[in-house]
Amino acid sequence: GAGVSQSPSNKVTEKGKDVELRCDPISGHTALYWYRQSLGQGLEFLIYFQGNSAPDKSGLPSDRFSAERTGGSVSTLTIQRTQQEDSAVYLCASSLRGGGPHEQYFGPGTRLTVT
Amino acid sequence: RKEVEQDPGPFNVPEGATVAFNCTYSNSASQSFFWYRQDCRKEPKLLMSVYSSGNEDGRFTAQLNRASQYISLLIRDSKLSDSATYLCVVRLLDSSASKIIFGSGTRLSIRP
Repeated sequence: GAGVSQSPSNKVTEKGKDVELRCDPISGHTALYWYRQSLGQGLEFLIYFQGNSAPDKSGLPSDRFSAERTGGSVSTLTIQRTQQEDSAVYLCASSLRGGGPHEQYFGPGTRLTVT
Repeated sequence: RKEVEQDPGPFNVPEGATVAFNCTYSNSASQSFFWYRQDCRKEPKLLMSVYSSGNEDGRFTAQLNRASQYISLLIRDSKLSDSATYLCVVRLLDSSASKIIFGSGTRLSIRP
């Protein structure tokens, strides 16, 4: 079946604008994760969903960041009043279940550039 | 100190060589361990899980040393296509996803 998809693939926005990033996980995967990766850096965990609930939001860098997941499927990550330091690749991953050694399948990412 | 540390490299080795790199973790409650591979400007993909007894998948061997809190990845008979960044991933005993920690990666470049 289809893998994890993300849209848009690239987004250029002006500082101060809001952006919304979308993730479609693999069908049947109950766990969904958002990460961010700056150029040449490792992955920074942002938030985790199990079903529609987010038991762990501790990675969100500020209150400008929020995320939701509806129907146990699609998730959106919203960044309000974007800043230049928000520029990064935002990666979404899903796994069959949260917890345990379940493999995470990553989407291709959204490259966000804030000018 | 970072929770998961890797030598960033780059490791530059000739085709056919054997190369190994380690990853250290600081939390003794770490339970699950993985190596992911990330090609340039691509998403990470699971290379292999790391089991307590060590495990092998073709040319790749992963080992876990709980006493010293490190995992290793050995690549034998390296191929040009092995050139990538290798990410060490640690999941702590707590099932909360915030305990999934990625290392910054080790860059490997295989030359002809």
